[in-house]
Amino acid sequence: GEDVEQSLFLSVREGDSSVINCTYTDSSSTYLYWYKQEPGAGLQLLTYIFSNMDMKQDQRLTVLLNKKDKHLSLRIADTQTGDSAIYFCAAPSHSGAGSYQLTFGKGTKLSVIP
Amino acid sequence: DTAVSQTPKYLVTQMGNDKSIKCEQNLGHDTMYWYKQDSKKFLKIMFSYNNKELIINETVPNRFSPKSPDKAHLNLHINSLELGDSAVYFCASSQERTGSGELFFGEGSRLTVL
Repeated sequence: GEDVEQSLFLSVREGDSSVINCTYTDSSSTYLYWYKQEPGAGLQLLTYIFSNMDMKQDQRLTVLLNKKDKHLSLRIADTQTGDSAIYFCAAPSHSGAGSYQLTFGKGTKLSVIP
Repeated sequence: DTAVSQTPKYLVTQMGNDKSIKCEQNLGHDTMYWYKQDSKKFLKIMFSYNNKELIINETVPNRFSPKSPDKAHLNLHINSLELGDSAVYFCASSQERTGSGELFFGEGSRLTVL
């Protein structure tokens, strides 16, 4: 099955860039995802990248994918206090019977210092 | 309209009791899931279910059973609750056959077992 790893904590100053890294194991992953969880809330999709892309930019967010190394990163430019949350990397896997599920990393808690 | 809704949002109960958490999605998705998030915020899949197949994570005790009265509902029933069952349980849904496979999450149900 899929295994997704990411560091647990990141602390940055307001206005700096944040980079959250993730590695995964299943090379057949078609889409890779970043979800955001704010305190007391559920997970919401932040962005995703298709596996045939190296980079995707969406306003302050930049996703980089190194498919050879199975490494995914999320960069948040000009980090704000409202970006403080837990960020989950997720990769899909398929069971032998063809069913689909997302495997999540353990989440990176981003703390933004004013 | 809420896409994925789960009830109750909070549940406090005694060890040994049986309880259920309900989940409904109005997105017309064909697959629903239950995830467990522990106190360290680690998120693990418990079940995935569509009208063809139930996939059970082998680490889930058989005290946990999903029940799907129809395609839009997947309830989670837990027998003989234990202290270690205290967690936040998230329901999610996705449309496997088309699109990016994005998961849509409910707001979570926080279960506390005393």
